[in-house]
Amino acid sequence: DAGVIQSPRHEVTEMGQEVTLRCKPISGHNSLFWYRQTMMRGLELLIYFNNNVPIDDSGMPEDRFSAKMPNASFSTLKIQPSEPRDSAVYFCASSFSGSTRNQYFGPGTRLTVT
Amino acid sequence: QQQVKQSPQSLIVQKGGISIINCAYENTAFDYFPWYQQFPGKGPALLIAIRPDVSEKKEGRFTISFNKSAKQFSLHIMDSQPGDSATYFCAASGLIQGAQKLVFGQGTRLTINP
Repeated sequence: DAGVIQSPRHEVTEMGQEVTLRCKPISGHNSLFWYRQTMMRGLELLIYFNNNVPIDDSGMPEDRFSAKMPNASFSTLKIQPSEPRDSAVYFCASSFSGSTRNQYFGPGTRLTVT
Repeated sequence: QQQVKQSPQSLIVQKGGISIINCAYENTAFDYFPWYQQFPGKGPALLIAIRPDVSEKKEGRFTISFNKSAKQFSLHIMDSQPGDSATYFCAASGLIQGAQKLVFGQGTRLTINP
């Protein structure tokens, strides 16, 4: 079975540009999580959805970040406008039955904002 | 109170030795404690997990020891192998401020020398 799929795997963009990261969770999983990983701050939860509804977005850094989950098989994380400090690896993870416990992570998107 | 403190930041062990990584938490609402393993360029993957009603859980060469009264838990890797070289994250899950959360430690970069 396919795991969590993320695209693109790498993104390089200039400051001020809009960036959209995409995620397809594992089929049958109804919870989806977006994380950001940096050396300084480690793994940070940005937002998570349960049954396509945002449950906890307290980790979203600021209004420049937004996330949507229009259906059970697709989610996007958008940064507009992007800034150099947004450079990080962004992970999407999914889990079954609304649990935060056993999460399955995608391979990540490495974002570089110049 | 939501933090999980992990140590050491980095660890070097000889092949065949025992690797030990420690974590501590404050919030007694946490009720599930997983460990994740991350290889370079990959997303974290669930390795082993424990509930607080059990003091130890073993899966192959990996063992979690849990001390509920001290609010500490640790990962022991027996007979460490070069293939175990990775970054390890402890985590704690529970209902925090009305939402299920999974909080990660800062990670330990483990290197097993051949």
